[in-house]
Amino acid sequence: QKEVEQNSGPLSVPEGAIASLNCTYSDRGSQSFFWYRQYSGKSPELIMSIYSNGDKEDGRFTAQLNKASQYVSLLIRDSQPSDSATYLCAVIISGSARQLTFGSGTQLTVLP
Amino acid sequence: EAQVTQNPRYLITVTGKKLTVTCSQNMNHEYMSWYRQDPGLGLRQIYYSMNVEVTDKGDVPEGYKVSRKEKRNFPLILESPSPNQTSLYFCASSPRGDYGYTFGSGTRLTVV
Repeated sequence: QKEVEQNSGPLSVPEGAIASLNCTYSDRGSQSFFWYRQYSGKSPELIMSIYSNGDKEDGRFTAQLNKASQYVSLLIRDSQPSDSATYLCAVIISGSARQLTFGSGTQLTVLP
Repeated sequence: EAQVTQNPRYLITVTGKKLTVTCSQNMNHEYMSWYRQDPGLGLRQIYYSMNVEVTDKGDVPEGYKVSRKEKRNFPLILESPSPNQTSLYFCASSPRGDYGYTFGSGTRLTVV
């Protein structure tokens, strides 16, 4: 079983819609969760981090964490064509001395 | 400007010819890490370091070496590169083990 799983997509949404990206993880003891955005040919860029159950909002982005269900999601409100990228979920697996493990990513396309 | 600097950005080499990819960060971060990114396999950790002289293997360490003699530098060494090490490599750093990582711009390596 993969430690961090994401819907591979691709996911397409119209401009102005809400894009919903999902991620599950296998290690129940994990404590730190991140969302990265990666444009084609570029390096990953950290856009959200979340450590506690519930929602965390930053501008148009909302990260949601449910440790009981081992689930973390990213919502992008009012999606823009500039949001078109691959979104990577990353988790620090407990007991791994801070090793950051990535999911395979979800490719998002926002259609004008 | 706070950044992680990798060199070179592009490298083509021949099988068996030793090479070093340099990585330097100017943020006084404790943690540094190397990843490789391959289509369909995502980002996989090669090695990471929690401080000077403290390094540990990630998921795919075979064929690679690292050293952390100074806090700011974390070079990746391929003693005898092989074609299966053709990949996009990223160096990253973090102030703490449970914080997100900042990534360098990447090094695209081709081994022929």
